Amino acid sequence: GDSVTQMEGPVTLSEEAFLTINCTYTATGYPSLFWYVQYPGEGLQLLLKATKADDKGSNKGFEATYRKETTSFHLEKGSVQVSDSAVYFCALILTGGGNKLTFGTGTQLKVEL
Amino acid sequence: KAGVTQTPRYLIKTRGQQVTLSCSPISGHRSVSWYQQTPGQGLQFLFEYFSETQRNKGNFPGRFSGRQFSNSRSEMNVSTLELGDSALYLCASNLAAITDTQYFGPGTRLTVL
Repeated sequence: GDSVTQMEGPVTLSEEAFLTINCTYTATGYPSLFWYVQYPGEGLQLLLKATKADDKGSNKGFEATYRKETTSFHLEKGSVQVSDSAVYFCALILTGGGNKLTFGTGTQLKVEL
Repeated sequence: KAGVTQTPRYLIKTRGQQVTLSCSPISGHRSVSWYQQTPGQGLQFLFEYFSETQRNKGNFPGRFSGRQFSNSRSEMNVSTLELGDSALYLCASNLAAITDTQYFGPGTRLTVL
């Protein structure tokens, strides 16, 4: 079946450090890819998305590139802030699969001063 | 524009009872999806409704059911509650297409005692 694999957390970084959260996927079809963020006590917010190979999604300094050859969608940010502390979820939707999101397990990010 | 609202925000029930959760999507959104979030299983898709029809269903027992009304508001029902049903239940809405952003509500925290 379709699945998303994310790196285990928690990831602890100092402010202004470089962030990478790895995400790979397995899909029977051609998916659209997403990164969602969840702050404590809240629902999920879409961070960025990419709908076809080589697309780069970006938002709030975060970036991820849809790599079909490596089935990956790694999240990166050049300089993290304390306010970026949250749980990050990689997810996919299959074309023709309705709006069913398949999520990874989530990666908790802690940014310290 | 108001976001996705879910009621109630918190619920405590006992085993064997049933529960109904409500979700009001963003105005104009026709698709509503439901997800269960638990520490052990992560985020799992329950079902999706579009124009009052169930378009997609996840791998949950028949105790979990839902419906959508003509104004796109949705309810989900869980009958004969089990301890393992304790979770955060998230609702998401979007216009229709899979590439549209899904907007999540804050969730309903269900505790089964």
